[in-house]
Amino acid sequence: NAGVTQTPKFQVLKTGQSMTLQCAQDMNHEYMSWYRQDPGMGLRLIHYSVGAGITDQGEVPNGYNVSRSTTEDFPLRLLSAAPSQTSVYFCASSYSKPGYYGYTFGSGTRLTVV
Amino acid sequence: AQTVTQSQPEMSVQEAETVTLSCTYDTSESDYYLFWYKQPPSRQMILVIRQEAYKQQNATENRFSVNFQKAAKSFSLKISDSQLGDAAMYFCAYRSARGRDDKIIFGKGTRLHILP
Repeated sequence: NAGVTQTPKFQVLKTGQSMTLQCAQDMNHEYMSWYRQDPGMGLRLIHYSVGAGITDQGEVPNGYNVSRSTTEDFPLRLLSAAPSQTSVYFCASSYSKPGYYGYTFGSGTRLTVV
Repeated sequence: AQTVTQSQPEMSVQEAETVTLSCTYDTSESDYYLFWYKQPPSRQMILVIRQEAYKQQNATENRFSVNFQKAAKSFSLKISDSQLGDAAMYFCAYRSARGRDDKIIFGKGTRLHILP
């Protein structure tokens, strides 16, 4: 099925560990992004990309790193996990033009940092 | 910077009744898009309805409709004949139409309970 695939669905990390959340889409979307969802905070943008080789910071980028080597993949790296990064993470993609389109979301990753 | 405000953290409605979720936004732009997303307990984000700012006609999708008031910067969602499956978190969202790197900005959400 076409869509956005996120892995893993659940993850527990120890403080200081690093890991990569994977995101892949097969819809040839130019635009991909990562959000984190925390209770009472809605969805906050971490990083986004408008195409292969182009990334930019969102509202809460600290502690996260991204790259976009292909159109399909947009991994999110946690460099040194902290309890404050406990959250649900969503990857989303869309066509970037004409901008009418909403996002297609992955199913989310629940990350717990202990 | 654009902001999206959902002033109702939680709402409840009786099954088969109608409920309206409120959303206001702040922008200096004239061309943009507005969305309502639904997030059921499964956590999946589902696009419910979208509205183009240059269209005066309110969008409708089956039991879901919006009341778009551009001058007031208001974008409410009406759910008619509420069903148990409508219970979810609902997010209002804004996206500028300026250029290709415009991000979707979300409100903090309204949790909707359906009472049987």
